[in-house]
Amino acid sequence: DVKVTQSSRYLVKRTGEKVFLECVQDMDHENMFWYRQDPGLGLRLIYFSYDVKMKEKGDIPEGYSVSREKKERFSLILESASTNQTSMYLCASSPGLAGVGDEQFFGPGTRLTVL
Amino acid sequence: GENVEQHPSTLSVQEGDSAVIKCTYSDSASNYFPWYKQELGKGPQLIIDIRSNVGEKKDQRIAVTLNKTAKHFSLHITETQPEDSAVYFCAASKGYSTLTFGKGTMLLVSP
Repeated sequence: DVKVTQSSRYLVKRTGEKVFLECVQDMDHENMFWYRQDPGLGLRLIYFSYDVKMKEKGDIPEGYSVSREKKERFSLILESASTNQTSMYLCASSPGLAGVGDEQFFGPGTRLTVL
Repeated sequence: GENVEQHPSTLSVQEGDSAVIKCTYSDSASNYFPWYKQELGKGPQLIIDIRSNVGEKKDQRIAVTLNKTAKHFSLHITETQPEDSAVYFCAASKGYSTLTFGKGTMLLVSP
């Protein structure tokens, strides 16, 4: 089974702190994604990556950056956390072989609270 | 960009009833439409998907229909069971494997 793991289930940080959210997948997938999930807003794409050291902005990249130094690991970085970044963060990966129509496999999520 | 609208936001049914969730999309170039189920405390998981060259697809108690002309697609769950209670998301994609999700439907199946 594909497994996508996220470094923390719950995280509490202070305003202005630099925050790292880590995601690791074990199925040699090409594509990796970061979403945030908020009540009533569904899942919104922050950043995605098709290959090592490659990144593309999603719909809401402001205030975030990403890093993909190894194929299996995709990190989301909040340079200076703000209270409006309190949310559930979901990482996903997909094989990248089918082009359009790849199934995305999600991690369990990290609930981040910024005080 | 693509916009996906999903209705209803909440749906309560009795066990054994059918449930229908509807989505519309805005970009006629979209050609892949998956449905994800998210149980409490877990990430979303794909339950069924449909491509634009197909009008309907079934998998046991779940089915998805697609009307390309009207740009809408629907999820149908028959003989609902309490374990079907979850949040369901529709999504649309036209390229690069990225998905645009609807806002979700919370389905509650009462015994």
